[in-house]
Amino acid sequence: KAGVTQTPRYLIKTRGQQVTLSCSPISGHRSVSWYQQTPGQGLQFLFEYFSETQRNKGNFPGRFSGRQFSNSRSEMNVSTLELGDSALYLCASSRGERAPETQYFGPGTRLLVL
Amino acid sequence: AQTVTQSQPEMSVQEAETVTLSCTYDTSESDYYLFWYKQPPSRQMILVIRQEAYKQQNATENRFSVNFQKAAKSFSLKISDSQLGDAAMYFCAYSNRDDKIIFGKGTRLHILP
Repeated sequence: KAGVTQTPRYLIKTRGQQVTLSCSPISGHRSVSWYQQTPGQGLQFLFEYFSETQRNKGNFPGRFSGRQFSNSRSEMNVSTLELGDSALYLCASSRGERAPETQYFGPGTRLLVL
Repeated sequence: AQTVTQSQPEMSVQEAETVTLSCTYDTSESDYYLFWYKQPPSRQMILVIRQEAYKQQNATENRFSVNFQKAAKSFSLKISDSQLGDAAMYFCAYSNRDDKIIFGKGTRLHILP
């Protein structure tokens, strides 16, 4: 079974721009979660999508948004980029059966905002 | 709110020795999972081991085992016969029914040859 894939792997943007990151879950997984990883804050939960609906949300500003498609692939968008948005963005997939589950992570997209 | 605390930011162990990484958590839930994830430098986060809260038996995966103390809300990871490939950041994590993982700050493990 193919693992979680994320594209692109690396991105360089400038302040004020917007960016879209993509995540393809493991086949059969319907839940996709997004996390931001920075040296200072560690790993922080952004949001989770299940069956094209946002099911859970972390404490991030509205500049961070996402969506999920019918094939369970998910995109995350960050608008009006700030320097502090530089981070490794990880997505993770699971079956989403509303029980404690193991999430499987992708390799991440490293975003640098200049 | 649930929290996960890893009190050891960094640890070192001699190759072939045993090391234990500490983790405590706080929750009022009774049904949850605990995980240890490994993130090698510039590489993908991978699951090392997981423990279901309802199981009293400690989980084991080859050289990796946990000491799960539910009443004390403690979940430590023991790595036996440490190998150079074990060098990584280790994250303790918690998940309950809402499918959100809460991570600790991580412990960077160095393996000394």
